[in-house]
Amino acid sequence: AQRVTQPEKLLSVFKGAPVELKCNYSYSGSPELFWYVQYSRQRLQLLLRHISRESIKGFTADLNKGETSFHLKKPFAQEEDSAMYYCALSMIGDMRFGAGTRLTVKP
Amino acid sequence: DAGVTQSPTHLIKTRGQQVTLRCSPISGHKSVSWYQQVLGQGPQFIFQYYEKEERGRGNFPDRFSARQFPNYSSELNVNALLLGDSALYLCASSSPGTGEKPQYFGPGTRLLVL
Repeated sequence: AQRVTQPEKLLSVFKGAPVELKCNYSYSGSPELFWYVQYSRQRLQLLLRHISRESIKGFTADLNKGETSFHLKKPFAQEEDSAMYYCALSMIGDMRFGAGTRLTVKP
Repeated sequence: DAGVTQSPTHLIKTRGQQVTLRCSPISGHKSVSWYQQVLGQGPQFIFQYYEKEERGRGNFPDRFSARQFPNYSSELNVNALLLGDSALYLCASSSPGTGEKPQYFGPGTRLLVL
C-alpha cells in the first residue's frame, strides 16, 4: 500500500545547527515526492519537489529510491525555519501526506 | 490572484446534519482536490476533480461527495455528519494538466460537529 512515514513528530535544534527531517515512502511505481511547509497561522505551501532538484530557503531533498527515502536537509537552521513540515507522495488521482514533523529552531 | 479561497472559514453543525464547503481555485487551474486534516495528522486525500470529472477518491464513505463546476470551482458535501467529521477541510488546486503537479492550498474550512 502507498504510504508516507515521517518518524519524528517533533524535532528541535539550535540555530546554526544542521537539520534533517526524515521521510520514507512505500510505492511500487515511480514516485513524485514533495515537501510542504506550514508556518504559524499560514496555509500549507509547497517547499520543494524532487523533480526540480532545487534548493529553497537553503533546504534540499534527495530522492533515494534504494532506501525509499526523501529526507529534507538544511546545513544551518534558522529560527524562521520553525514550522510544521509534511512530506507528500503524489500519484495519479491521489496524494498521500505524512503525519508531519514540527521543527523548532531555538536561538 | 488571491490564491485558493474557501468558504466558510468556520462552521458548526450538529450530528446528522449536512454541510457544503466551497472552494475557488487559482485562476487558470483546472484541477481541484479536497483533503481532511484531523488535529495532529497530515492531510488525508478525499477527492480530486479535473475538468469537472472525478479523477480520484480516497478512503472515505459515500457520505462524502463533491463536484466541480464549469468555472472550476468546487463543492464538498458531507451528509449525516458524525462527531468524527470534525476537522479542517482543505482545498487545493493545481496548474493546467494532471493533478500530479504541485498543489496550492487554501486556508481551509474548520468544521466542528457537536
